[in-house]
Amino acid sequence: QVQLVQSGAEVKKPGASVKVSCRASGYFLSAFYMHWMRQAPGQGLEWMGWINPNSGGANYAQKFQGRVNMTRDTSISTVYLELSGLTYDDTAVYYCARDVYRFLRYRFDSWGQGSLVTVSS
Amino acid sequence: QSALTQPPSASGSPGQSVTISCTGTSSDVGGCDYVSWYQQYPGKVPKLMIYDVTKRPSGVPDRFSGSKSGNTASLTVSGLQAEDEADYYCSACAGRNTMIFGGGTKLTVL
Repeated sequence: QVQLVQSGAEVKKPGASVKVSCRASGYFLSAFYMHWMRQAPGQGLEWMGWINPNSGGANYAQKFQGRVNMTRDTSISTVYLELSGLTYDDTAVYYCARDVYRFLRYRFDSWGQGSLVTVSS
Repeated sequence: QSALTQPPSASGSPGQSVTISCTGTSSDVGGCDYVSWYQQYPGKVPKLMIYDVTKRPSGVPDRFSGSKSGNTASLTVSGLQAEDEADYYCSACAGRNTMIFGGGTKLTVL
């Protein structure tokens, strides 16, 4: 069955960078766009962007332009989210989620378990 | 870009129906066929309940239905059950290959 397994919790200082991984199993990574979302404590979901694991192309929400980078390593069926210039407002649970086969449809039926990133001095 | 507008809370008694709205603009909800709804329990991963405005994934009860009129999408839960108490989020495509979520609605079953 489809599984998305994310890396563990991280604690970072303000100004640092964090890299979260999302390993896919049960399907061919390159055939599905992957999105990243986050959810701050007690807050709603926020979309950050997507990566096309086939081409490596990515598109980011305007809010994160310039400090987000989404990459992939198809040899290990893993996508990555890197966020730089961390501030306290970046404290959140970060999720990867799979879109539909071959197309962008913004429909997520498979999610990672979430990775808590805490920004603290 | 601001989040889609959802009421912070909604409630209903068991067996009743409740509708949650999701209001955007012609650049997102109004111009997008890919409106989805997610259910999230505290501390849990969101679950897809409705996609493409009206469609239900396999396994989602038919008590859940979606619709759209103009710039507002709606999720209706009929025959409310205690297990429906959760947070609900809408989402829609928003141009330039981006998307946006609503602020979320906490549904309480009285």
